[in-house]
Amino acid sequence: GAGVSQSPSNKVTEKGKDVELRCDPISGHTALYWYRQSLGQGLEFLIYFQGNSAPDKSGLPSDRFSAERTGGSVSTLTIQRTQQEDSAVYLCASSLPRGGRTSYEQYFGPGTRLTVT
Amino acid sequence: DAKTTQPNSMESNEEEPVHLPCNHSTISGTDYIHWYRQLPSQGPEYVIHGLTSNVNNRMASLAIAEDRKSSTLILHRATLRDAAVYYCILRGPYNFNKFYFGSGTKLNVKP
Repeated sequence: GAGVSQSPSNKVTEKGKDVELRCDPISGHTALYWYRQSLGQGLEFLIYFQGNSAPDKSGLPSDRFSAERTGGSVSTLTIQRTQQEDSAVYLCASSLPRGGRTSYEQYFGPGTRLTVT
Repeated sequence: DAKTTQPNSMESNEEEPVHLPCNHSTISGTDYIHWYRQLPSQGPEYVIHGLTSNVNNRMASLAIAEDRKSSTLILHRATLRDAAVYYCILRGPYNFNKFYFGSGTKLNVKP
């Protein structure tokens, strides 16, 4: 079946511009995550959505970063007034919700490579 | 947060077994041990996870120490396609939705 998709695959933008990154999770997955991966580094958690619950925004690095999830499916990560340090690969993942003691795996998309010049 | 410690890199020969270690001495009783891997230019993919008992699946085996303070991911016959960064992650109630990936182990497979 279809996996997690992200668009665009690559984005080059000028410093100070706003960008929107899109994530389409796997159908039926109510949990959605955004991560950031700088060059040569591990993944950094940004934000988590679960169904209609309030999102966990504790990983967002500044108020220039925001995300929304419409209709419990597609999510958009917005970065306002981009800075060069925002350059990274932004990864989205989705999973089934936590069920009791069950720990479900996360399925990752291919990522969006953002370059801020 | 319970953290993990992994070697920065390891090397293996093709078609030989690979044992990737992970130390997690501060693991709590409710933490699951997850392994993900990231192939070049791709998003991470799930490999295996366990709680207390050893686990096997089509990709790998996970051996968990009796005291749970360490674990080992076992690739029974490494292929060139297994060259990736392998992440050992603890997932518990305090961080269930916030994986801490760390820097992982970069596995190089030689033909």
